[in-house]
Amino acid sequence: KAGVTQTPRYLIKTRGQQVTLSCSPISGHRSVSWYQQTPGQGLQFLFEYFSETQRNKGNFPGRFSGRQFSNSRSEMNVSTLELGDSALYLCASSLADSNKKETQYFGPGTRLLVL
Amino acid sequence: GESVGLHLPTLSVQEGDNSIINCAYSNSASDYFIWYKQESGKGPQFIIDIRSNMDKRQGQRVTVLLNKTVKHLSLQIAATQPGDSAVYFCAEKSQGTALIFGKGTTLSVSS
Repeated sequence: KAGVTQTPRYLIKTRGQQVTLSCSPISGHRSVSWYQQTPGQGLQFLFEYFSETQRNKGNFPGRFSGRQFSNSRSEMNVSTLELGDSALYLCASSLADSNKKETQYFGPGTRLLVL
Repeated sequence: GESVGLHLPTLSVQEGDNSIINCAYSNSASDYFIWYKQESGKGPQFIIDIRSNMDKRQGQRVTVLLNKTVKHLSLQIAATQPGDSAVYFCAEKSQGTALIFGKGTTLSVSS
C-alpha cells in the first residue's frame, strides 16, 4: 500500500506570495492532519480534516487554511507569506478522526523557503 | 546501556549498546502515546504506540514504558545499530485532540 504523498517536495516563495501544498493520504484513510516543523518550535499542529470537515485547529493565524476533498486528499494554503513561514510542512493520515486512538502516518513533507 | 534524563536533546551511544530515550508528557488526560523516528530529509516514521491502560509494550528491538503516575514515557532500543541514528519524538494525545509532540532527542550511534 502506498504511503502518504506530498507535493511539491520543495518550494521557494517570496514574502507576500501565497502557496498551496497538497497531500494524498494512505488509501482508505479518511483523516488528514497538517503540521509545521521548524528547528525552534518543533512539530506544531495546524489542522485536522475528516470527511471534508475541519475537526481540530491549532494556534496559527488565519493566513493558514486547508480543505479536504471527497477522495480524502487535502490541501493547505498559506497566504501573504512571511519569512517565519519557512518550515517543513508535514501531512499525516489515519483511518479515523482524533476521537479514536489511531496511529498517524506521515508523508515526507514539503520544504518551504520564504525569501 | 546509556539513558537520558528528562529530556536531553542528544544521546550518543556505541553500536550494540542499549539506548533509553525519555520523555515527560504534559497532559494527565492523555491516553494514547506514540514514538516516532525522523531521519534527515524524511517525515516522522511510526515506531511503536501504547495506550494508557498499559505500562509496557514491546516491538522488534524496541520497548515503550509508560508511567502515568509521573507522566513519563520511555523508549528502549536494544542492540542499537547505526541505522537507528535519527531524531526520536514522543507524542501524546487525548480523545478529540491532536497529537502533541515533544522536543525530540537526537540519537547518534557510532560503530
